[in-house]
Amino acid sequence: DIQMTQSPSLLSASVGDRVTINCKASQNINKYLNWYQQKLGEAPKLLIYNTNNLQTGIPSRFSGSGSGTDYTLTISSLQPEDFGTYFCFQHNSWPYTFGAGTKLELK
Amino acid sequence: QVTLKESGPGMLQPSKTLSLTCSFSGFSLSTSGMVVSWIRQPSGKSLEWLAAIDWDGDKYYNPSLKSRLTVSKDTSNTQVFLKITSVDIADTATYYCARRLGDYWGQGVMVTVSS
Repeated sequence: DIQMTQSPSLLSASVGDRVTINCKASQNINKYLNWYQQKLGEAPKLLIYNTNNLQTGIPSRFSGSGSGTDYTLTISSLQPEDFGTYFCFQHNSWPYTFGAGTKLELK
Repeated sequence: QVTLKESGPGMLQPSKTLSLTCSFSGFSLSTSGMVVSWIRQPSGKSLEWLAAIDWDGDKYYNPSLKSRLTVSKDTSNTQVFLKITSVDIADTATYYCARRLGDYWGQGVMVTVSS
């Protein structure tokens, strides 16, 4: 199975900050990398698919980049509604696998 | 409007078979390329992709649980089912169904395995 290593596991930030979350795959995943946001008690929400494609309805302050084994989610200016847990997810090889998550909290 | 909703027993005993239903609307599983997947999440932990079934009836299972999983769909292509045999405490989780690679998710159903 492809292992997805996310960092950091916990991120404290303030409204207006630029934040970056990283995800490293154990092998090349050919940009088949999605990002999800999850708030407490809710299902995950798709933010970015295939590395850098913004899902419909997601604000443009979210962006993704990367290739090979290394991928990044960036929030350009953090808003109050952005706090929660973020997961990366690879769909290059079955079984598809998720990262352990990054909890983004208010500093 | 795309919606998915999971249903299940809530609680069951170890060694029993867990049966889950995903009822959906706003899309058809008979559409070429369509997929419905099952994902689970133990409380406070990450997500695990369990199984999927596509428009053509092809099935995909996570090898770590493959021998215990069965995914199926109904003939009207509005429901997908998941069975997990021989459950134990480690199967306690919230179970989600999702369309495709998670562009839409159900609200999840919490399942507790306990004697």
